[in-house]
Parts: sequence; structure tokens; C-alpha cells
Amino acid sequence: GAVVSQHPSWVICKSGTSVKIECRSLDFQATTMFWYRQFPKQSLMLMATSNEGSKATYEQGVEKDKFLINHASLTLSTLTVTSAHPEDSSFYICSAQKGASGDYEQYFGPGTRLTVT
Amino acid sequence: GDSVTQMEGPVTLSEEAFLTINCTYTATGYPSLFWYVQYPGEGLQLLLKATKADDKGSNKGFEATYRKETTSFHLEKGSVQVSDSAVYFCALRNAGNMLTFGGGTRLMVKP
Repeated sequence: GAVVSQHPSWVICKSGTSVKIECRSLDFQATTMFWYRQFPKQSLMLMATSNEGSKATYEQGVEKDKFLINHASLTLSTLTVTSAHPEDSSFYICSAQKGASGDYEQYFGPGTRLTVT
Repeated sequence: GDSVTQMEGPVTLSEEAFLTINCTYTATGYPSLFWYVQYPGEGLQLLLKATKADDKGSNKGFEATYRKETTSFHLEKGSVQVSDSAVYFCALRNAGNMLTFGGGTRLMVKP
């Protein structure tokens, strides 16, 4: 299998605080993890790509100081939304890619709904 | 750059109706094509895929054929069920292993 989990599944925080979202590959090692943002009734927007042990590559227009990504191990990547504001409220989805043996499928997590009040 | 265009929804059908969701793409090279499904409040699940021209991907009664001549990958199902109600995303993956998604099409199936 290729199961990806996210924690928490939903979170509510106050404006100005920081929130950390975890993405874990449960039964495989992920050389690359991706973070997406999805607005209501819209498609997924790629925010950044992270490889284990190296700095994340952010897409144009995504503030790297606001959305901190850490890929500390082959099974865990974290996204920290710093100094959150109501406009950061969204559905955040991660995906993980094995990369080994030519398997470049992206396996998606269930998503985390962030609400900033 | 690469792009995926799919029909806007919502698409509303009665149970057992025939479903078509159109998807066309623009890409350099020879991308792999995918359909993902997203149920309410959940992440994406891979529904089916095709990696080269004329390939047909199929799963759970859904199918799509990779048409290079028309740059299309239309999703079809002969008889939809209420449980198929979800948002469907067409996507492509090119040499850089990055996914490019279409805008999504919401399907609503009524009993």
C-alpha cells in the first residue's frame, strides 16, 4: 500500500498564532513530498515541493517565510503556517512520492482544514 | 507551460445515467494522464491513469482513453450511482514529475 496521513484533520486557531500540520507516509519512504492548498470549490494549487534533508522549493507567489516546510525524515514533512491570518484559512493537502524504482505516483493525504479566526 | 482544462460543473445526473466529463490538455512531450476523485472533506484518490497514447485507464466502472490526436482524456461511466457524487480532477504529469490539475468538476447524482 501507499498510505499518507495528515494531522490534524482540522484546526481552528486565532489570528497571529502559528499552526503546524504534519504529513506522514505510513508504509513507505517518500523521497519527495508536496504541499497543496485548495480554496473552496477550486482546484489544488501547488505551494511547495520538499525533498528529505534539503530546503523546500516554493512556487511563485508563495511566501516561504510564512509557510515553513520541513522534511526532516523520509516519512515526515511538516508545514507551519506562521502568524496566521483569516485569509490563510483553507484546505491543505500533502502528497508523497516514493521515487524509488521509478514510482513517481503522488499519494495524497486526507487534507487538513485550517480556520483562522 | 502545461495546462489542463475540464468542463465546469456542477454536473447533475440521475442514478444510472451515463456520465461524461471532458478533459483536454496542453503539454510538451508525452505526459501521463490521471483522473482523481475527491469526496467531501477528504483528500484526493487516484481513480485511473494512462501513460501513453491510446491507453485506456479503468477503475470502478469509470474509464478514460488517452487521445493524443485530440489531446483529450475524457472520463466516462455507463451508469452512475449516488455514491459517485464527488469532485473529479483531471491531471497530467510531465517529465518533471509534477502534477498539473484541471479546475475540477463537481458531480451530483440524484436517486
